[in-house]
Amino acid sequence: GAVVSQHPSWVICKSGTSVKIECRSLDFQATTMFWYRQFPKQSLMLMATSNEGSKATYEQGVEKDKFLINHASLTLSTLTVTSAHPEDSSFYICSAYGQGGGYGYTFGSGTRLTVV
Amino acid sequence: KNQVEQSPQSLIILEGKNCTLQCNYTVSPFSNLRWYKQDTGRGPVSLTIMTFSENTKSNGRYTATLDADTKQSSLHITASQLSDSASYICVVSVQAAGNKLTFGGGTRVLVKP
Repeated sequence: GAVVSQHPSWVICKSGTSVKIECRSLDFQATTMFWYRQFPKQSLMLMATSNEGSKATYEQGVEKDKFLINHASLTLSTLTVTSAHPEDSSFYICSAYGQGGGYGYTFGSGTRLTVV
Repeated sequence: KNQVEQSPQSLIILEGKNCTLQCNYTVSPFSNLRWYKQDTGRGPVSLTIMTFSENTKSNGRYTATLDADTKQSSLHITASQLSDSASYICVVSVQAAGNKLTFGGGTRVLVKP
């Protein structure tokens, strides 16, 4: 079945630094990738949608200059949290949709970001 | 406004027992409905996917139903196991909405021995 690899699974960084999270579709081409964040005991909140080769579309309230998304190829999207603050600490999850994925939106395993 | 409501928010069941989770949605136009299982600290894993023409789909001990007329879905877990402890999320896809998904708030299931 469709597999999405997300890396790293957890990361701790200092305030003010930047962190990059990678999301790879391993066995299909992801024409669209979604980035979510999830707070404890809450459901996933869509941050942005990215289509390969074009700029990401951000949801209302999400700062595009803070959460940089790159989707340069059909198998890789990255989310960079710039100038991280403790309030950015959260669980970030990517999801890939595309050819070979069928109906399925396949999710990555998530990244736990802790900013200290 | 497209919404997906799940109930209950949480439940505790004894190992071996059955349980049913509910999902009501107001999403339109409807494309498909999915149930995901999310273990703590992990990404969601697909259990079932149903289009409007399907009214039941099974995946092992998980059986989902869909009533597109009443816009209701349920997920039935049979003979629960400790490993079924997780959040179960109902997700509805909107037709021609950039492939976006609308998420329910999830039901947290705890299976006790």
